[in-house]
Amino acid sequence: GENVEQHPSTLSVQEGDSAVIKCTYSDSASNYFPWYKQELGKGPQLIIDIRSNVGEKKDQRIAVTLNKTAKHFSLHITETQPEDSAVYFCAASMGGGSQGNLIFGKGTKLSVKP
Amino acid sequence: GAGVSQSPSNKVTEKGKDVELRCDPISGHTALYWYRQRLGQGLEFLIYFQGNSAPDKSGLPSDRFSAERTGESVSTLTIQRTQQEDSAVYLCASSLGWSRTPGAETQYFGPGTRLLVL
Repeated sequence: GENVEQHPSTLSVQEGDSAVIKCTYSDSASNYFPWYKQELGKGPQLIIDIRSNVGEKKDQRIAVTLNKTAKHFSLHITETQPEDSAVYFCAASMGGGSQGNLIFGKGTKLSVKP
Repeated sequence: GAGVSQSPSNKVTEKGKDVELRCDPISGHTALYWYRQRLGQGLEFLIYFQGNSAPDKSGLPSDRFSAERTGESVSTLTIQRTQQEDSAVYLCASSLGWSRTPGAETQYFGPGTRLLVL
């Protein structure tokens, strides 16, 4: 089955710097890759997602890149702010059918220091 | 509009007791998922409902765990004879499901139920 590895497990940056979180997946059939942000005591919130027919997607300060050949995808946050501090999870799925569930990485705790 | 809701938000129980956790998905979402999140860990898939199809139970860790869903609405996750290792946050998510609409597979999560087994 699918396996998702996520690095780093913790990341500390200064406010205004960029943050990059990387994930790899094992199943080439995976075609949908969301990123979630989870604040303490809350459920995960979708921040951006990408499908396998595109290589990059941007939404203001957040971007995701996908390399299908290498089976890895990355989250880029520019101009980080203290409110970006949270745990970020990457995930992969085949986007429907009998395997619509998400397989998650173990998470990255991002701390943005003011 | 209303998001995914879960109840109770917190549950403390004694080892050996049964517990029921409830999930109300977003209206119109045909797919519903249950995940478990142990402290400081990622999310672990438990079970997936899609419309009237047979649920995908491949993630349930033991026969003490079961879930039901009535049509395309409320779901309950039941844990029988709870053990201390069942202590975790149980998260429910829903999505549009089979629709070919862009974004149909996007899963929206509820706030979770924090279960503590003493």
